[in-house]
Amino acid sequence: AQSVAQPEDQVNVAEGNPLTVKCTYSVSGNPYLFWYVQYPNRGLQFLLKYITGDNLVKGSYGFEAEFNKSQTSFHLKKPSALVSDSALYFCAVRDPNSNSGYALNFGKGTSLLVTP
Amino acid sequence: DSGVTQTPKHLITATGQRVTLRCSPRSGDLSVYWYQQSLDQGLQFLIQYYNGEERAKGNILERFSAQQFPDLHSELNLSSLELGDSALYFCASSVVGLAARRDEQFFGPGTRLTVL
Repeated sequence: AQSVAQPEDQVNVAEGNPLTVKCTYSVSGNPYLFWYVQYPNRGLQFLLKYITGDNLVKGSYGFEAEFNKSQTSFHLKKPSALVSDSALYFCAVRDPNSNSGYALNFGKGTSLLVTP
Repeated sequence: DSGVTQTPKHLITATGQRVTLRCSPRSGDLSVYWYQQSLDQGLQFLIQYYNGEERAKGNILERFSAQQFPDLHSELNLSSLELGDSALYFCASSVVGLAARRDEQFFGPGTRLTVL
């Protein structure tokens, strides 16, 4: 079964500091991994994805994520956090070998709070 | 704006009732997904339709059903509503082609359902 885990319910960081939101996955074979962000009272917005190739993936709003196969992780990072980055972040996985269509399996989400 | 629209934005109803949520995918997207977001269950995949046909089922209750029409809009029908059905219901769409498993999904703003 495919799954992702986000071990932190909340991450607090000061504005200007680097941020990391953690995600680990469990998939048989090579996974397709995604990060989404949800602002209050809004839908999910796509940030970036890892399919294959370079382990460092660059996405929207200055975010990037590092795929680490040996640690089965896909942590979201940003070199310098902004107050406006405060939101709920979701990691998701799609098993390329799954027969369950193309649905995404989401983690529980991590609330990021960036303080001025 | 993702290009995915959902109506209504809010819905308040009573237990035992039936409601219909509507979703219009992005122009050109053939696949529609429905997700439920609640505090205790997180984001859960319900069902996927592709070009009018059911493609995959997730954790969808038997009281819930969906369909996709020839113009590609989709409706999610929830019947015999219970208090626990109160949640945010998202629709997402994606292009489904040869590399479909690599495609990100684009989410609508959601319908907040409150069952009293």
